[in-house]
Amino acid sequence: GENVEQHPSTLSVQEGDSAVIKCTYSDSASNYFPWYKQELGKGPQLIIDIRSNVGEKKDQRIAVTLNKTAKHFSLHITETQPEDSAVYFCAPEGSNYQLIWGAGTKLIIKP
Amino acid sequence: DVKVTQSSRYLVKRTGEKVFLECVQDMDHENMFWYRQDPGLGLRLIYFSYDVKMKEKGDIPEGYSVSREKKERFSLILESASTNQTSMYLCASSIPTGLGGYTFGSGTRLTVV
Repeated sequence: GENVEQHPSTLSVQEGDSAVIKCTYSDSASNYFPWYKQELGKGPQLIIDIRSNVGEKKDQRIAVTLNKTAKHFSLHITETQPEDSAVYFCAPEGSNYQLIWGAGTKLIIKP
Repeated sequence: DVKVTQSSRYLVKRTGEKVFLECVQDMDHENMFWYRQDPGLGLRLIYFSYDVKMKEKGDIPEGYSVSREKKERFSLILESASTNQTSMYLCASSIPTGLGGYTFGSGTRLTVV
């Protein structure tokens, strides 16, 4: 079946530094690659997404890069702030158009 | 502000009870989903629906059923609650398949005792 792996499972960075989370997937037919952020006590929220005809997309401090050949995409957060602390999920769209969820990365921003 | 609303944030039920979890969205989305979220297991799809009165099994449908009588409402039913159904339940909705972007509710934390 379709497989999604997310690394690392936990990431601790100093406030102001950058954070990168990587997601690898197995379904070569995937064409949609979103990242979700889940804060404590809330449901996941879409923060950025990219489609397979684009290699990189940026939205202020957040960017997503896609390497379709290698079947991975990454979330980049620059100038991290305390409010970036959360669990982040990648969820590439599978061949049946449903999202296939990674296990999540807990991002801790140290003051 | 567009929303997915789950009727309860916290729920405690007894083993064997029939439990209803309600989800309502105000975005006129065709697609609706029920997930459960457990530590270390991520999000697992229970059931989904692409249209009124339509339902499809997800990855872990056993012990659950759903109802979608109206476009905006998708209900998850635990026919006979068991302790292994203690979990966080998340409802989501989206525009038609292939266009991505799920909107989630805040979740219902269900404890079965």
